[in-house]
Amino acid sequence: DAEITQSPRHKITETGRQVTLACHQTWNHNNMFWYRQDLGHGLRLIHYSYGVQDTNKGEVSDGYSVSRSNTEDLPLTLESAASSQTSVYFCASSESKSGVNEQFFGPGTRLTVL
Amino acid sequence: KQEVTQIPAALSVPEGENLVLNCSFTDSAIYNLQWFRQDPGKGLTSLLLIQSSQREQTSGRLNASLDKSSGRSTLYIAASQPGDSATYLCAVNLDSWGKLQFGAGTQVVVTP
Repeated sequence: DAEITQSPRHKITETGRQVTLACHQTWNHNNMFWYRQDLGHGLRLIHYSYGVQDTNKGEVSDGYSVSRSNTEDLPLTLESAASSQTSVYFCASSESKSGVNEQFFGPGTRLTVL
Repeated sequence: KQEVTQIPAALSVPEGENLVLNCSFTDSAIYNLQWFRQDPGKGLTSLLLIQSSQREQTSGRLNASLDKSSGRSTLYIAASQPGDSATYLCAVNLDSWGKLQFGAGTQVVVTP
């Protein structure tokens, strides 16, 4: 069955370190998204990609970057981790061609920045 | 800017009662609306997607309605069960490419 996997599932890091969260989907979807979920803020869009070599900033993109070198993967990099980036991160994907655009989510990565 | 609101934030019902969850949005120019379920510590599971041209969508005990003109969607869960306990999130799709704007969710507890 097609799925989205995220790794690691849990990560503890220190302030100032660079961290990369992996996202891999086997749906063959062209669209991929990164969200963060925080109490009091709900889910907010960080970055998104509509295809290989395409990346776009979302609502809360400062301090984050992504790159899309193939269809399956969209890694999220925290350039210099800050305590404010402690959160649960979700990757999602969808496909636009059918016009339905239902979005599917991975299991999440819980990141703690000390 | 599109804002999505879910009221109430939390809801507790006895088993067997029907659940009614509300979602409102400020801009009626949406592409579609999606309802998700989230269990504690887990990811989001897609329940139903309603296209902007549709009025409702059904899957088993779940029925979702959409009234674009009034900026409202309602998720009905018939004959609730303890296994329905979870947080339910609605999200509006802002364009044909898939960017979602989420509500804060309604936390549901179904007591045996």
